[in-house]
Amino acid sequence: NAGVTQTPKFRVLKTGQSMTLLCAQDMNHEYMYWYRQDPGMGLRLIHYSVGEGTTAKGEVPDGYNVSRLKKQNFLLGLESAAPSQTSVYFCASSYGTSDVYNEQFFGPGTRLTVL
Amino acid sequence: LAKTTQPISMDSYEGQEVNITCSHNNIATNDYITWYQQFPSQGPRFIIQGYKTKVTNEVASLFIPADRKSSTLSLPRVSLSDTAVYYCLVGRNTDKLIFGTGTRLQVFP
Repeated sequence: NAGVTQTPKFRVLKTGQSMTLLCAQDMNHEYMYWYRQDPGMGLRLIHYSVGEGTTAKGEVPDGYNVSRLKKQNFLLGLESAAPSQTSVYFCASSYGTSDVYNEQFFGPGTRLTVL
Repeated sequence: LAKTTQPISMDSYEGQEVNITCSHNNIATNDYITWYQQFPSQGPRFIIQGYKTKVTNEVASLFIPADRKSSTLSLPRVSLSDTAVYYCLVGRNTDKLIFGTGTRLQVFP
C-alpha cells in the first residue's frame, strides 16, 4: 500500500510556463484534495473532488485547474505559472461520507519554485 | 466556519507531558474536533479526533469540556521525535476545514 503519492517531488518553472502535478492514491478513497502551504503558514485548500468526474473550488482556486478523470488520480494544473505560486503543494484523500469527518491522508508534497 | 485559536509555539523537555489548548468559540453543534501533526518536509498526519468528553489513543488524549468551546491535546512523555507543528481543526465536512498556522512544539533533550 503506497498510500498517497505525488509526482514530481521538486520542480522549478519560469514565469508563464505550465505544468501538471499528479496525485495518486491506492486506498479507494472517494474524496481528494489539493492544498498549498507557504513558509510558516498553514495549509490552504485549492480544489477538491468528492468523486470521479467531479471537482470543486476551495479557498484559493485562482490560477489553478484540476481534473479527476479516474478515481485514483487527481491532477493539479498551472496554466501560466507566477512567482506567487511558489509553494509546497500537498495532495490528500479521504473516504467520502458527509455524515462524519473522515481522516485525510496526505502525500509527501511537491516543492514548486517559480522564477 | 469555526475559527480556531492556538498558541504559536511551545517548548518542552523530553519526558514531560505537553498540553496544547485550542479555542473554538463558535463551534457548531455537529462539528468534530480534529488534530493533525506535521513534521518538516512532510504532509500532515492525523493524530486524534473527538466530539465531546475525552478520547484517548496510543499517541495522545483529547479533552473536550462540556461547552466544547475549547479542546486540549495532551501528549504524554514527549520525546525529541514529537517536535512538530500541531494543527487543531474544527468542522464536519473535509472540504470546509481550515488549517490555521498551528502550534510549533519544540522538544529539548
